Amino acid sequence: GAVVSQHPSWVICKSGTSVKIECRSLDFQATTMFWYRQFPKQSLMLMATSNEGSKATYEQGVEKDKFLINHASLTLSTLTVTSAHPEDSSFYICSAPPGQGYEQYFGPGTRLTVT
Amino acid sequence: GNSVTQMEGPVTLSEEAFLTINCTYTATGYPSLFWYVQYPGEGLQLLLKATKADDKGSNKGFEATYRKETTSFHLEKGSVQVSDSAVYFCALRTNTGNQFYFGTGTSLTVIP
Repeated sequence: GAVVSQHPSWVICKSGTSVKIECRSLDFQATTMFWYRQFPKQSLMLMATSNEGSKATYEQGVEKDKFLINHASLTLSTLTVTSAHPEDSSFYICSAPPGQGYEQYFGPGTRLTVT
Repeated sequence: GNSVTQMEGPVTLSEEAFLTINCTYTATGYPSLFWYVQYPGEGLQLLLKATKADDKGSNKGFEATYRKETTSFHLEKGSVQVSDSAVYFCALRTNTGNQFYFGTGTSLTVIP
């Protein structure tokens, strides 16, 4: 099946710094990728839809200036958490469909801890 | 609006027990329905899916039937194994795009 990777898998940063998370589709091209946030024992919350060649679409309540998304190519989307705070600590997951109407393929997630 | 309601866990079963995890949904139009599984330390993996009413998705002994009349997609397995221990997510995808809506997840632990 299709593979989506994320890097890093785990990161610790100090409050006030920025962290970049990469999401790559390894064996297919994805014009659209999705970024989710998962809180402990809770479901995935869609944060934004990343669109190759255009601006990302953010869900209501998600600060676009804090969570910067760049879909640099058909196989790479990045999420940058700017000026991170402890409340940004979470599990961030990306996903990509190989095409319209396909199921999502999920990355393994990135655990962010802000100290 | 679109939403998925999933039975809360955690669920603990003995090996070879019967499993049911309830899932109901609210959606506009005719969504596709999915069950994803997340093993410890791993990403979500598609377990099974159904794209229209009365379809039955099945995989690895798990089954779920798309019931439009009850807006449900309950997950069942006749005999669980220790290796089935994971978190299970019910999800829907609208028929207008690729956006998914997830339930809160149900943690399953199977003990020998």
